[in-house]
Amino acid sequence: NAGVTQTPKFQVLKTGQSMTLQCAQDMNHNSMYWYRQDPGMGLRLIYYSASEGTTDKGEVPNGYNVSRLNKREFSLRLESAAPSQTSVYFCASGMPGGINEQFFGPGTRLTVL
Amino acid sequence: DAKTTQPNSMESNEEEPVHLPCNHSTISGTDYIHWYRQLPSQGPEYVIHGLTSNVNNRMASLAIAEDRKSSTLILHRATLRDAAVYYCISDNYGQNFVFGPGTRLSVLP
Repeated sequence: NAGVTQTPKFQVLKTGQSMTLQCAQDMNHNSMYWYRQDPGMGLRLIYYSASEGTTDKGEVPNGYNVSRLNKREFSLRLESAAPSQTSVYFCASGMPGGINEQFFGPGTRLTVL
Repeated sequence: DAKTTQPNSMESNEEEPVHLPCNHSTISGTDYIHWYRQLPSQGPEYVIHGLTSNVNNRMASLAIAEDRKSSTLILHRATLRDAAVYYCISDNYGQNFVFGPGTRLSVLP
């Protein structure tokens, strides 16, 4: 099993450009999550999807949109990138309730100039 | 804001035990305590979790205070590969984890 995969691994954008970060999991998990991590900080939840067809805002949703394409895939879109969105983005999946062990992808390092 | 507080950093010598503390004074009765760690340039990985009783697994032990307002992650014999940022999270349903800045553990050879 590949676990949680993310593409791309690195990306440089100019201010105002748009892009979509892709995430897929092969563990048949119901829930998927997008986090961002700024240098020296902990992770902050952007959006999550409790199950296929549902999405909810996390702590820092402004400037992002998400799509839960199917049970496996959860994408994060930046419509008009800003330098403040320079960060490392992590996707995760899990089964909520009790333990809710979340499995994280390797991350996408995004720089917005 | 994170619902837990941890020391910013700790140091340990290789092959010695490490006790990483966490305060969660506002924890509710149904909140679990989760520990994750993040190795350099990687995403976080699950370490251990618990509710009321102490827990052991192959990676670590979790000691939970009787009043549940604090807990301690115990690495029995630290190795260089255990150098990471350790996050303590208290959460009920696990749908909105709040990761604070964590504790950066350095392991000295």
